[in-house]
Amino acid sequence: GAGVSQTPSNKVTEKGKYVELRCDPISGHTALYWYRQSLGQGPEFLIYFQGTGAADDSGLPNDRFFAVRPEGSVSTLKIQRTERGDSAVYLCASSLGPGTGVEGYTFGSGTRLTVV
Amino acid sequence: KQEVTQIPAALSVPEGENLVLNCSFTDSAIYNLQWFRQDPGKGLTSLLLIQSSQREQTSGRLNASLDKSSGRSTLYIAASQPGDSATYLCAVRQGGSEKLVFGKGTKLTVNP
Repeated sequence: GAGVSQTPSNKVTEKGKYVELRCDPISGHTALYWYRQSLGQGPEFLIYFQGTGAADDSGLPNDRFFAVRPEGSVSTLKIQRTERGDSAVYLCASSLGPGTGVEGYTFGSGTRLTVV
Repeated sequence: KQEVTQIPAALSVPEGENLVLNCSFTDSAIYNLQWFRQDPGKGLTSLLLIQSSQREQTSGRLNASLDKSSGRSTLYIAASQPGDSATYLCAVRQGGSEKLVFGKGTKLTVNP
């Protein structure tokens, strides 16, 4: 596609529920990143995929958070037993990947998650 | 651990002014530095990317400089316009890592 697409754009869920957030990267981008942005803060890194594998998941806050990218394109961020502190904007970005000489990221518009 | 600080947190200027946004980082072993713009309720738009070996990059009315040894970058906006109103974020990428470390941003308001 022309850009990074994230769905849904907004999600309201009750505390304790399970949610899935979807990211559709730019076609041909092998690298995919998830970030979380709380109100008034800069984005914080969660996880990075190179192809199908999670090359760096050091930013996932705890085992309630999990992400997959089974075919090396679309990625899903999964949050179990949501807590009010999980409320934030979840941003996805993609890039051509390391060593390509084109280093910049393209970000999606984000999913605003509200846990009530 | 890399920390990125942006000063000021907010800035309000009249239209037409030239302005400078500041970004500092604690670990100078960076791979590159990127400036982004974020409009309310939107994602991030990349403005300029400076590799660690470069001193500056220019795009239109924007100029970004990098002094890696002192851990500083500036974003210069010439002849500001109301459409420049947004939050500007600075992010650094460490050597050997694919993740970006962001500052909290500078919220810019350009008044007509």
